[in-house]
Amino acid sequence: GEDVEQSLFLSVREGDSSVINCTYTDSSSTYLYWYKQEPGAGLQLLTYIFSNMDMKQDQRLTVLLNKKDKHLSLRIADTQTGDSAIYFCAESPPGRRALTFGSGTRLQVQP
Amino acid sequence: EPEVTQTPSHQVTQMGQEVILRCVPISNHLYFYWYRQILGQKVEFLVSFYNNEISEKSEIFDDQFSVERPDGSNFTLKIRSTKLEDSAMYFCASRTGQGDTGELFFGEGSRLTVL
Repeated sequence: GEDVEQSLFLSVREGDSSVINCTYTDSSSTYLYWYKQEPGAGLQLLTYIFSNMDMKQDQRLTVLLNKKDKHLSLRIADTQTGDSAIYFCAESPPGRRALTFGSGTRLQVQP
Repeated sequence: EPEVTQTPSHQVTQMGQEVILRCVPISNHLYFYWYRQILGQKVEFLVSFYNNEISEKSEIFDDQFSVERPDGSNFTLKIRSTKLEDSAMYFCASRTGQGDTGELFFGEGSRLTVL
């Protein structure tokens, strides 16, 4: 079945890089996504990557995709306290319109 | 910027009562979704809705659940007889569905507490 796995918690110091990892199950997913959830708020799309790409950079964010291993990562450069949140990866298997989310990684940024 | 809005932000109800959660998707979007998140757990898909009918639903979306688009703007989730385990944050989402990247736009959620 579909399952998207993430580690539950990551703690970094302000200014360091953060790397959040995710494994997904469906190698035919067209897009893979990273969403951010701040306390008490909904999910907000951070970035996405098309499945025929292996890297996408967007300002401080770098997404790496390893299709062979079905591994997705999100790197946040120069992590700030405002980056503290829960980060969800999600896949969109073909034939489905709905996204399947991982359990989320709580990122804690220490000053 | 257009956004998905949800009401109420928090509802407390007694077990066995009916609950209706309301959502106003972004106006030009064609696909609508409900997800839920039990405290500390995954964001789980419940149902998707397109062209005035359910296009997909999960195992969670049993006969106790229903969705409706009663007019051109609202999208509602009804739970007929709430159970303790229905306590969760319920998120509505929408997407354009026209040559898009599949991005879902989420509301801020409705927290349901069943006592």
